[in-house]
Amino acid sequence: DQQVKQNSPSLSVQEGRISILNCDYTNSMFDYFLWYKKYPAEGPTFLISISSIKDKNEDGRFTVFLNKSAKHLSLHIVPSQPGDSAVYFCAASGKAAGNKLTFGGGTRVLVKP
Amino acid sequence: DTGVSQNPRHKITKRGQNVTFRCDPISEHNRLYWYRQTLGQGPEFLTYFQNEAQLEKSRLLSDRFSAERPKGSFSTLEIQRTEQGDSAMYLCASSLDGTSTDTQYFGPGTRLTVL
Repeated sequence: DQQVKQNSPSLSVQEGRISILNCDYTNSMFDYFLWYKKYPAEGPTFLISISSIKDKNEDGRFTVFLNKSAKHLSLHIVPSQPGDSAVYFCAASGKAAGNKLTFGGGTRVLVKP
Repeated sequence: DTGVSQNPRHKITKRGQNVTFRCDPISEHNRLYWYRQTLGQGPEFLTYFQNEAQLEKSRLLSDRFSAERPKGSFSTLEIQRTEQGDSAMYLCASSLDGTSTDTQYFGPGTRLTVL
């Protein structure tokens, strides 16, 4: 039972363009959503998060959008840079479940110079 | 603040041996989480602590897995009688206080290879 899904395993984008990563969830108890970036042989690095009471959060080049009715969130990276090439994980948590994170399967992003 | 640290970074062991991993969280963080990541998958929750109390361990993969956080600071994850299927990246994360918008920060992980 995959409660968090990232349906695109990979994404290729030209430097300077927008990267859009998508994530769907099924558990209505999730109330906090996070995006992590991961390089090979390293732990996930926190990027940006959004609480369920908001529909948008922006931090520099990164913006996360949350559509609660559709149980869908997306991460926009603009402009994309070669250093953004990594695997991106969507994660969700709920206080009622101890805030443990449930992760999607990841999307590998390649930014071409 | 040096972030979450984990030791060792890599561990190669023979099937049937016991292994222990250590995690040092960010110093003021009360929560500590363990996850496991296998190739091509997202991290999978194993267990977590609030200070020294282990609040959930039902997701530990078998009774061969155990975790401790004896003084509410560092934590250890032990796997007894390792099997080849235990080969994975073991990740530790810490967070401040478990509020609804509490963000977890991860260490670099320990990669376990069971031969």
